[in-house]
Amino acid sequence: GNSVTQMEGPVTLSEEAFLTINCTYTATGYPSLFWYVQYPGEGLQLLLKATKADDKGSNKGFEATYRKETTSFHLEKGSVQVSDSAVYFCALLLSGGYNKLIFGAGTRLAVHP
Amino acid sequence: DAGITQSPRYKITETGRQVTLMCHQTWSHSYMFWYRQDLGHGLRLIYYSAAADITDKGEVPDGYVVSRSKTENFPLTLESATRSQTSVYFCASSGTGTVGNTIYFGEGSWLTVV
Repeated sequence: GNSVTQMEGPVTLSEEAFLTINCTYTATGYPSLFWYVQYPGEGLQLLLKATKADDKGSNKGFEATYRKETTSFHLEKGSVQVSDSAVYFCALLLSGGYNKLIFGAGTRLAVHP
Repeated sequence: DAGITQSPRYKITETGRQVTLMCHQTWSHSYMFWYRQDLGHGLRLIYYSAAADITDKGEVPDGYVVSRSKTENFPLTLESATRSQTSVYFCASSGTGTVGNTIYFGEGSWLTVV
């Protein structure tokens, strides 16, 4: 079936460290891929997205590249800040599937000064 | 303000009671969704709707009922709440089209069933 697998958290980093959160997916067809971020006590916000293979989504210093050959969409940031502390969700959207998002379990990131 | 709003934001109820969580969006989006968020499970789809009067089950629909008489509203009802339904509930919406379409989320409703 269709699914998303994320690396387990929590991920704990010092400020200005490099961040990678791994995400792999299983899907029929050609899904669109998303990263959402959830700050404490809030709903989910779209962070970035990619709609086809080799697309790179980017926003607020975060990047992720849609790798069809490895079915991956890893999230990266070169220098994290304390304000990046949140839960990050990888998700896929199947084409022709009523816009239903399938989420990974989420990865909690904690950044310390 | 435009957007998607949920109410109540926080609710404590007793086992066996009926509870309705409200969701309202001002974008006239066709699609609306209800997800629940539980530790270790990410977000799981409860019900979704492609348009007014069109609803369908998601991954975990048991114990829930939805309706969509108007495009902008998509209430979720727990007919007889159980402790396993203690969760954070998120409503979401998106426009038509599927490729790369963005889904927008409300701020969540924290429900505790005691």
